[in-house]
Amino acid sequence: EVQLLESGGGLVQPGGSLRLSCAVSGFTFSSYAMSWVRQAPGKGLEWVSGISGSGSSTYYADSVKGRFTISRDNSKNTLYMQMNSLRAEDTAVYYCAKKSGGWYYTYFDYWGQGTLVSVSS
Amino acid sequence: EIVLTQSPGTLSLSPGERATLSCRASQSVSSSYLAWYQQKPGQAPRLLIYGASSRATGIPDRFSGSGSGTDFTLTISRLEPEDFAVYYCQQYDNSPELTFGGGTKVEIK
Repeated sequence: EVQLLESGGGLVQPGGSLRLSCAVSGFTFSSYAMSWVRQAPGKGLEWVSGISGSGSSTYYADSVKGRFTISRDNSKNTLYMQMNSLRAEDTAVYYCAKKSGGWYYTYFDYWGQGTLVSVSS
Repeated sequence: EIVLTQSPGTLSLSPGERATLSCRASQSVSSSYLAWYQQKPGQAPRLLIYGASSRATGIPDRFSGSGSGTDFTLTISRLEPEDFAVYYCQQYDNSPELTFGGGTKVEIK
């Protein structure tokens, strides 16, 4: 059974940092691209960042480019998101999502339950 | 960036009725690289349809997807109580950037 479990969310002040983790099981982690998708309170889904199976290629939405860094440790079956210079508009539930193959031309076939990040003073 | 526009924003229907949800793209989505997801309150999204018309594993056949180019449709043939939720379309053609539609809420009339 495929499982994705996010952790690391919480309350942080504007300008602060946070590191999200997503521990996965039930599939060969290194064979699949992964992504972070967020959802602000009461709003729709927004793709944030993605990474290839090997970790050699990373992708970012313009809204987080230069502030967020996605990475993965295939030996630990874990996806990460380092979030720096956080802003109020980054407040959202952050979902870890598995792609159905490599990064290109594949869809999200499994999602974690999400972790809430709140940016407020 | 491909912009996806979903309509209507809210659909008020009764159980047993047919639901038709629209997703329009600002430019053609090649090879029908379009997916649909269902999201219930407090839950993560769940994949329903990929490739515009292929049902994901375990999805009942009352859910069907159609369309190509810039116009796509999700149809729920007969609404069950558990189908009342928010539905999102998403294109995965214009990689690396991915975009979602704004969502359609299907609510009980």
